[in-house]
Amino acid sequence: DQQVKQNSPSLSVQEGRISILNCDYTNSMFDYFLWYKKYPAEGPTFLISISSIKDKNEDGRFTVFLNKSAKHLSLHIVPSQPGDSAVYFCAASKSGGSNYKLTFGKGTLLTVNP
Amino acid sequence: DTGVSQNPRHKITKRGQNVTFRCDPISEHNRLYWYRQTLGQGPEFLTYFQNEAQLEKSRLLSDRFSAERPKGSFSTLEIQRTEQGDSAMYLCASSLHFPAGGPVNNSPLHFGNGTRLTVT
Repeated sequence: DQQVKQNSPSLSVQEGRISILNCDYTNSMFDYFLWYKKYPAEGPTFLISISSIKDKNEDGRFTVFLNKSAKHLSLHIVPSQPGDSAVYFCAASKSGGSNYKLTFGKGTLLTVNP
Repeated sequence: DTGVSQNPRHKITKRGQNVTFRCDPISEHNRLYWYRQTLGQGPEFLTYFQNEAQLEKSRLLSDRFSAERPKGSFSTLEIQRTEQGDSAMYLCASSLHFPAGGPVNNSPLHFGNGTRLTVT
């Protein structure tokens, strides 16, 4: 039972364009969501998070949107850079983030072409 | 570098052998987590500690697995009688958790670079 789903295994975009990575979840108890980036041979690195009391959070080139009614979130990267090429994981947790038992999706491999 | 440190980076062992991994968290972090990642999957929660107390264990953590954090600082994860299905990347993470009544924003999990286990 995959509670956090990233249905696109890969995404390819041109440098300078927008990258949109999508994530769906099934557990309505999730109330805190995070995006992690992972380069080969390294551990996941935290990018950005959002609480369920918000529908948008922005940090520089990265924006996360949350649609609670659709149980969907997305990560926008604008403008995309070659260094953004990595696997992106969506993760969710319950209890406002105080319970850090994160449930991860399978990841989306983003390739940004120069 | 004051990030999460894991040793060894790679471990190759024969089926049936015991292995132990070590994790050194970020020094001021009071929570420590172990996750496992297999090919094509996201990390899966195994267990976590608050200081030296092990607060939760996943069903994935069979009785061949044991984790300790004896002084609330570093942690070890031991796998006894390894099986080929144990082959995976074992990730450690740490975070700073504020008790009830503290700041709302707990720190996100900071992951180490993992220990890749291959059981032959």
